[in-house]
Amino acid sequence: DAEITQSPRHKITETGRQVTLACHQTWNHNNMFWYRQDLGHGLRLIHYSYGVQDTNKGEVSDGYSVSRSNTEDLPLTLESAASSQTSVYFCASRNSGDPTDTQYFGPGTRLTVL
Amino acid sequence: DQQVKQNSPSLSVQEGRISILNCDYTNSMFDYFLWYKKYPAEGPTFLISISSIKDKNEDGRFTVFLNKSAKHLSLHIVPSQPGDSAVYFCAATVASSSGSARQLTFGSGTQLTVLP
Repeated sequence: DAEITQSPRHKITETGRQVTLACHQTWNHNNMFWYRQDLGHGLRLIHYSYGVQDTNKGEVSDGYSVSRSNTEDLPLTLESAASSQTSVYFCASRNSGDPTDTQYFGPGTRLTVL
Repeated sequence: DQQVKQNSPSLSVQEGRISILNCDYTNSMFDYFLWYKKYPAEGPTFLISISSIKDKNEDGRFTVFLNKSAKHLSLHIVPSQPGDSAVYFCAATVASSSGSARQLTFGSGTQLTVLP
């Protein structure tokens, strides 16, 4: 079955370290998204991509970067991790031909920055 | 400023009764609304949606109502079941002027607990 996976599921790192969170989908969806979930804020968009080599900043993009070298993967990189980036991160994908705007989410990565 | 607001962080109802989850929005350009359900340690899953040209959409036990004049939508679950206990997120989207893919703006979520 097609799916969307994230790795690692849990990560503890130290302030200042570079961290990369992986997202992989097998639906062949053009659109991919990264969100963070924090109490009281719901899901906030970090970065998104409409296709290979396309990346765009979302609402809370400072301190994060993404790259899209193929359809299946959108890794999220924290260049220099900060305690404010402790959060749960969700990757999502969407079929660009879907008129319902439904996004399909991965299981999430819980990141703790000490 | 949050464009999509869920003012109730939590809601408890008895099994078999109706659950009503509310959502308000401020952007009058939003033209499509979705509800997602999230269990602990899992990603959100799509539940039901509604276009702004409608005022009601029903799918089994789940019904979403949209009141555009009040910029308000609600999710009704009837009858509520213990398995419905989860966090429910309201989301909205607006067509991009460039025609590119639409982004979702999420509310902060409501934790629903259905008591046996």
